[in-house]
Amino acid sequence: AQSVAQPEDQVNVAEGNPLTVKCTYSVSGNPYLFWYVQYPNRGLQFLLKYITGDNLVKGSYGFEAEFNKSQTSFHLKKPSALVSDSALYFCAVRSLNDYKLSFGAGTTVTVRA
Amino acid sequence: NAGVTQTPKFQVLKTGQSMTLQCAQDMNHNSMYWYRQDPGMGLRLIYYSASEGTTDKGEVPNGYNVSRLNKREFSLRLESAAPSQTSVYFCASMTVYNEQFFGPGTRLTVL
Repeated sequence: AQSVAQPEDQVNVAEGNPLTVKCTYSVSGNPYLFWYVQYPNRGLQFLLKYITGDNLVKGSYGFEAEFNKSQTSFHLKKPSALVSDSALYFCAVRSLNDYKLSFGAGTTVTVRA
Repeated sequence: NAGVTQTPKFQVLKTGQSMTLQCAQDMNHNSMYWYRQDPGMGLRLIYYSASEGTTDKGEVPNGYNVSRLNKREFSLRLESAAPSQTSVYFCASMTVYNEQFFGPGTRLTVL
């Protein structure tokens, strides 16, 4: 079975400071890893993914994430957070041969001005 | 190009009533999904359809049925609604590059 853990329910940062949202995963075989963002009363939007290749992947809105196989982690990062980054962030995983995507419980990010 | 559309946006049912949630995508994607979102639990997969003509159970299929009507449409049916099915329901479709596009959601309340 595959699963995702997001250990922090909430992350609070000041605008301009670095932002990190943590994610660890469990899956059989090689993982496909994803980050999605959800703004209030909206559906989820794709941010970035890791399939293979470079462990550091870059995505939309200046976000990036680092795949660490030994720690089974895929933390989301942004060097300088904006107030507009305040939202709910989900990490997700699936295995190579499976169409099913498993989501974490989500982390609420609040960026204060 | 509307992406993924869902109807209705809001619905209130009484226990035991039935209803169908509609989902359509105009991006020619093969795979489609139904999720429910509950506070503190993230998204949980109800059913998915890897391609037209196939459907499979996800994590929480009990109390639901699905129909992949054609490549564009994937509906979710609640035959006898229960208060535990109060949730926000999202439909999604997936590109060949493994990115999922989500609809705006249906907020369902079962009294």
